[in-house]
Amino acid sequence: QVQLVESGGGVVQPGRSLRVSCVVSGFTFRNYAMYWVRQAPGKGLEWVSVIAFDGSKKYYGESVKGRFTISRDNSKNTLYLQMNSLRAEDTGVYYCAREGLNYKVMDVWGQGTTVTVSS
Amino acid sequence: QSVLTQPPSASATPGQSVTISCSGSNSNIGDNYVYWYQQLPGMAPKLLIYKNNQRPSEVPDRFSGSKSGTSASLAISGLRSEDEADFYCAAWDDNLSGWLFGGGTKLTVL
Repeated sequence: QVQLVESGGGVVQPGRSLRVSCVVSGFTFRNYAMYWVRQAPGKGLEWVSVIAFDGSKKYYGESVKGRFTISRDNSKNTLYLQMNSLRAEDTGVYYCAREGLNYKVMDVWGQGTTVTVSS
Repeated sequence: QSVLTQPPSASATPGQSVTISCSGSNSNIGDNYVYWYQQLPGMAPKLLIYKNNQRPSEVPDRFSGSKSGTSASLAISGLRSEDEADFYCAAWDDNLSGWLFGGGTKLTVL
């Protein structure tokens, strides 16, 4: 059974840092590109970042470029998102998602972890 | 404001059909595949349509996708109450080197 479980969310002050994680099971993690997508309260989906299966390529959305870093540890089946210089507008649910080998897009999603940036 | 433009809402009665549009530009929809997601209240998104008009095996054939030029559409036939959800289009953008989502369309089944 394919599972993605995010963790590490919480309340953090503006300007501080936070790292969220996504542990996967049920598939060969090292073969798949992985994504982070976020959703502000009551708002739509926003793509944050994507990383290639081997970590060789990384892309970021304009609103997080230079502040967020995506990484992965294939030996631990874990995806990370390091978030620095956090702003109030970074508040939301952060989902990790797998890129389907045939679909070439996010096909399986976790349930999300909530990040709140507030003083 | 999203680069991919969707109507904020749509509605229809059970059994009817509805179409949701998604408008973009050459750098996204025009030159790349379009994907559609359904997000039920309080849930993670679910992939409905991939590569413009393909359905994952678990998605009913009541859902169909199409693309023409820089626009795409999601059609849902035989509406059911459980179809009530938010729907998002998505596409890669060559100029941004990143993924775009539409602003989302809230479907109400009256």
